[in-house]
Amino acid sequence: SQTIHQWPATLVQPVGSPLSLECTVEGTSNPNLYWYRQAAGRGLQLLFYSVGIGQISSEVPQNLSASRPQDRQFILSSKKLLLSDSGFYLCAWSAVLAEQFFGPGTRLTVL
Amino acid sequence: AQTVTQSQPEMSVQEAETVTLSCTYDTSENNYYLFWYKQPPSRQMILVIRQEAYKQQNATENRFSVNFQKAAKSFSLKISDSQLGDTAMYFCAFMKHGGYSTLTFGKGTMLLVSP
Repeated sequence: SQTIHQWPATLVQPVGSPLSLECTVEGTSNPNLYWYRQAAGRGLQLLFYSVGIGQISSEVPQNLSASRPQDRQFILSSKKLLLSDSGFYLCAWSAVLAEQFFGPGTRLTVL
Repeated sequence: AQTVTQSQPEMSVQEAETVTLSCTYDTSENNYYLFWYKQPPSRQMILVIRQEAYKQQNATENRFSVNFQKAAKSFSLKISDSQLGDTAMYFCAFMKHGGYSTLTFGKGTMLLVSP
């Protein structure tokens, strides 16, 4: 069966510091991968998605970037965090034309 | 572009009762998928039910069922015999056929099940 992991589970970072959140999927090959942000416990905003290694599509211009160095690894990064980057970050995977399955999420607080 | 609207920010129901959550969407697509996801206090997003637009039969999963009205662009979720563990935020989501399986979410409905 497929499993999706995210870490860390929680993170507190100062403004201006770098960020790296990691997501990995087990039990499937060539998944579509997604990063979402959820602010204030409501609504999910799609940040990035990837259909293959090195292929990243950005949905919203922002202070963040994403990379997919391996088939089942998806990384969300920032060089300098802003207060507005605080939120709950969710990674998800899907097969083609299929429902998405979500990881447990990372709660990021920028102080 | 697609939009998904959930007009009920919060709902309450007593244990063992039935509750219906509303969702409407706007799209020019003819082939698409609709989903309901549940987000309990743990914040893990869990798929509840899926509906393909080309299927006239409404999807059911145990105590969860949908009322899919394609012409009206309506996709409501009915929870029968509500349980305390159903307390969660519920999100309606749209995915068009083709493309990269990206989802458009509604803003969610917070459901509280009380004893």
